[in-house]
Amino acid sequence: TQLLEQSPQFLSIQEGENLTVYCNSSSVFSSLQWYRQEPGEGPVLLVTVVTGGEVKKLKRLTFQFGDARKDSSLHITAAQPGDTGLYLCAGAGAGGTSYGKLTFGQGTILTVHP
Amino acid sequence: DAMVIQNPRYQVTQFGKPVTLSCSQTLNHNVMYWYQQKSSQAPKLLFHYYDKDFNNEADTPDNFQSRRPNTSFCFLDIRSPGLGDAAMYLCATSRDGPSGAKNIQYFGAGTRLSVL
Repeated sequence: TQLLEQSPQFLSIQEGENLTVYCNSSSVFSSLQWYRQEPGEGPVLLVTVVTGGEVKKLKRLTFQFGDARKDSSLHITAAQPGDTGLYLCAGAGAGGTSYGKLTFGQGTILTVHP
Repeated sequence: DAMVIQNPRYQVTQFGKPVTLSCSQTLNHNVMYWYQQKSSQAPKLLFHYYDKDFNNEADTPDNFQSRRPNTSFCFLDIRSPGLGDAAMYLCATSRDGPSGAKNIQYFGAGTRLSVL
C-alpha cells in the first residue's frame, strides 16, 4: 500500500508571508499532482509533475518533485487571502496501474489572514 | 465551461431512503471515479469504471453502487443512506493514455449530501 504523508495539516499565516507544504513517501510515484479545494467545491488541479527533480512555477506557487520521485513540495511566496483553501497532493502509482489511481495526502488547510 | 458536471450540487435525503447522484463529462475520458470526502479530509475512493469495467475498492460498503450507462455518464446509488453517509461526493475522470498524461484526474464540483 502506498502512503503519502502531507504536512503540515494546518497552516494559519498573515498576508505576505511565505509557506511550504510537503508530501513525502517511501514509494515511487510516476507522477504527482497538486490540487486546491475551496469549501463546497471540488478539487481543482494546479499542476502535475512527472520528472524527478522537476520544478514548475505557477505565478507565486513553486512546485518541486524530488529526484527519486518519492516526495514533493509546494512553496507559496507572499501569500494572499485568496490562497486560502485545502491543498492536496496526490501521487499516481509507478508501474502496474494503467488507469492512474491516486494516493492522496491528508491535506493542508491553509488560512491566510489579511 | 465545466467539463465534469455533478448534479445536484446539494441533496437532502432521509435516513434509509435511496438516493442517486449523477456525473457527466464532456472530456470523453475512459475512466470515471467516485470519491467520498468528509469535512476537510482527503477524498476517499469508492470505486471507478475503466471503460465499462467496474472496480470496487475493498472497503467500500455494499450500500454504495454505481452505474455507467455510457462514456459520458456515471451514477452513484446509495441504497439505504445512514447518518454516516453524509458527506461531499466527488466525481472525477481521467484518460488512460501516454505515461504522465494518464494519471491526471479532473474533478467535478461535488454533491453535498445531507441525511436527515
